Amino acid sequence: AQTVTQSQPEMSVQEAETVTLSCTYDTSESDYYLFWYKQPPSRQMILVIRQEAYKQQNATENRFSVNFQKAAKSFSLKISDSQLGDAAMYFCAYKLTSGSRLTFGEGTQLTVNP
Amino acid sequence: GAVVSQHPSRVICKSGTSVKIECRSLDFQATTMFWYRQFPKQSLMLMATSNEGSKATYEQGVEKDKFLINHASLTLSTLTVTSAHPEDSSFYICSAPGQYNSPLHFGNGTRLTVT
Repeated sequence: AQTVTQSQPEMSVQEAETVTLSCTYDTSESDYYLFWYKQPPSRQMILVIRQEAYKQQNATENRFSVNFQKAAKSFSLKISDSQLGDAAMYFCAYKLTSGSRLTFGEGTQLTVNP
Repeated sequence: GAVVSQHPSRVICKSGTSVKIECRSLDFQATTMFWYRQFPKQSLMLMATSNEGSKATYEQGVEKDKFLINHASLTLSTLTVTSAHPEDSSFYICSAPGQYNSPLHFGNGTRLTVT
């Protein structure tokens, strides 16, 4: 079974600084997707970024980028120039390419200090 | 973009009553929908997979008779919490996959409070 682990229950960062959220996963499959979702206090699930496992290039979306290490099964999220609006719970998630079911990590609560 | 509409956003009910939560895909068809439960400051826990035209697939430990799921059409899935108890109070979220390999689209969730 696939598992996703986020070892940082809470993180904090100063506004305009950079923060990295960690995620590791366990799978015997080779064809899958990885995602980072943001859940602000409104509890709406917002897709931040996604990575296809077959791609070696790390995905980037504006201030958000990932460090995907397939052999190490690691998928960290870097947030640059942190903004107050980035404060939220962040979930790392895994999905097989052939399926729709998402497996979520435990989440990391990010606080952005002004 | 694809939108999933979930209603109601909040509901308060008394113990012993039943509550129905609807999840609609507004501009796409969804043969599969997922229902999650989330406790405060915790992750999303998959409860069941709703399948249009067939029975839902429940995760281990989820009571089928308490959490009734019906996938009535290609755009609607419902979750009915039967004989609700205070311990059923939680945040329930539905999601649906869009086109092939697109990310899941999530509803805005339903906060259920059972008094």
